Amino acid sequence: NAGVTQTPKFQVLKTGQSMTLQCAQDMNHEYMSWYRQDPGMGLRLIHYSVGAGITDQGEVPNGYNVSRSTTEDFPLRLLSAAPSQTSVYFCASSYSYDRGPYNEQFFGPGTRLTVL
Amino acid sequence: AQSVTQLDSHVSVSEGTPVLLRCNYSSSYSPSLFWYVQHPNKGLQLLLKYTSAATLVKGINGFEAEFKKSETSFHLTKPSAHMSDAAEYFCVVSDDFQKLVFGTGTRLLVSP
Repeated sequence: NAGVTQTPKFQVLKTGQSMTLQCAQDMNHEYMSWYRQDPGMGLRLIHYSVGAGITDQGEVPNGYNVSRSTTEDFPLRLLSAAPSQTSVYFCASSYSYDRGPYNEQFFGPGTRLTVL
Repeated sequence: AQSVTQLDSHVSVSEGTPVLLRCNYSSSYSPSLFWYVQHPNKGLQLLLKYTSAATLVKGINGFEAEFKKSETSFHLTKPSAHMSDAAEYFCVVSDDFQKLVFGTGTRLLVSP
C-alpha cells in the first residue's frame, strides 16, 4: 500500500495563477480531507469529503475548491492564488464513522506551496 | 465548539530524562482526543488516542497520555527521552471524530 500520496511536493506560483494539488489514497477510505499548516497555528481544515460525490467546507474554505469523483482521489484547486495561501498542505484519509468510531486519519507527506 | 491549548510552544529535555507535553481541551461533551507527531519535513503520525475506554492511554514509542476530565487535560508523557523523539507534537480534539481541531503544536528538543 502506498497510503496517502500527494503531488507535487513543492510548488511556486505567482499571484493570480491557478493550480490543483493532487491527493490519492489506496486504502479504500471513505473520508478524505485537506488541511493547511501555518507557523504557530497548527493544522486547519479546509474541505472534507465523506464519500464520492459529497464534499463540505471546513474552517478555512475561501479560495479553494474540491471535488470527489472517485473514492481514491480528492484534488484541491486554488482558483486564483494569493500570497496568504502560502502554506504547507496536507491531505488525510480514514474509514468513515459507519465502520466504527475513532478511526485513525492517515496523512500524506504534504505539499509546500509558495505564492509570490 | 471544541478547542485545544498546548501550553508550551517549545520543550527542551536531555536524552534519558522524562518528557511532559501539556494539553488542555475544551469540548461541549465527551471528546475524542489524540496526539500526533510530525518529524521534520514529514507528514503526521498518530501517537495515541483517547476514546473513553480507559483514562490512561498507551501509544507507540513508549509515549502515554492521561485523560483527566476534572482538569480538562490530556498531557503526553514519556519516562525517558530519546534523540529520535525530537519532533513537533500536536494535541487534537474531535467531537465529530472526522473533524479534527489541532493545537498549535509543541516542538520537543532533545539534547545529548
